[in-house]
Amino acid sequence: NAGVTQTPKFRILKIGQSMTLQCTQDMNHNYMYWYRQDPGMGLKLIYYSVGAGITDKGEVPNGYNVSRSTTEDFPLRLELAAPSQTSVYFCASSDRDRGVNEQFFGPGTRLTVL
Amino acid sequence: AQSVTQPDIHITVSEGASLELRCNYSYGATPYLFWYVQSPGQGLQLLLKYFSGDTLVQGIKGFEAEFKRSQSSFNLRKPSVHWSDAAEYFCAVGTITGANNLFFGTGTRLTVIP
Repeated sequence: NAGVTQTPKFRILKIGQSMTLQCTQDMNHNYMYWYRQDPGMGLKLIYYSVGAGITDKGEVPNGYNVSRSTTEDFPLRLELAAPSQTSVYFCASSDRDRGVNEQFFGPGTRLTVL
Repeated sequence: AQSVTQPDIHITVSEGASLELRCNYSYGATPYLFWYVQSPGQGLQLLLKYFSGDTLVQGIKGFEAEFKRSQSSFNLRKPSVHWSDAAEYFCAVGTITGANNLFFGTGTRLTVIP
């Protein structure tokens, strides 16, 4: 198993540009999540999904959109990039069928908006 | 509302010395508690988790944590630190309702000196 994979690893955007951060998991997990990590702030939940076709907002959803058309994929879309979106983004997945469970994290995408 | 406090932003220990990282949580129900480790440039890896039962839990890499309900704490310990333990450590509380969401502390950065 590759686990949770994310692409790209690094990206620099100009203000107002758009991009999609890709996330794929091969563990057949129902639940998937997107977090952003800012220095000294821990991880904040952006969006999550409990299954294909179902998504919901987390703590900091403004400026982002997600979709979940398959169990495996959970892309995060930035429509109009702003400097405040400079951060490291982590995708994670978990298997809800076994109760509260650990989340498995991808390696992250480091995004800079200039 | 759920919250996690890690009071120590940065800790420096000598190799071979013992380590204790503090974590306090706030949660109205039975907490599900986790410790994750993040090496530089990497994603998060689960060290250990507490769901119920024995309040002293063992994890990977020789780490352990003790759940103390009366103190709302879940401190991480290691009897003898290795240079490879230098990393950022995150405590998190999980919810059984909703989407298995995790709420993270702001992290403690561990530096190990020879």
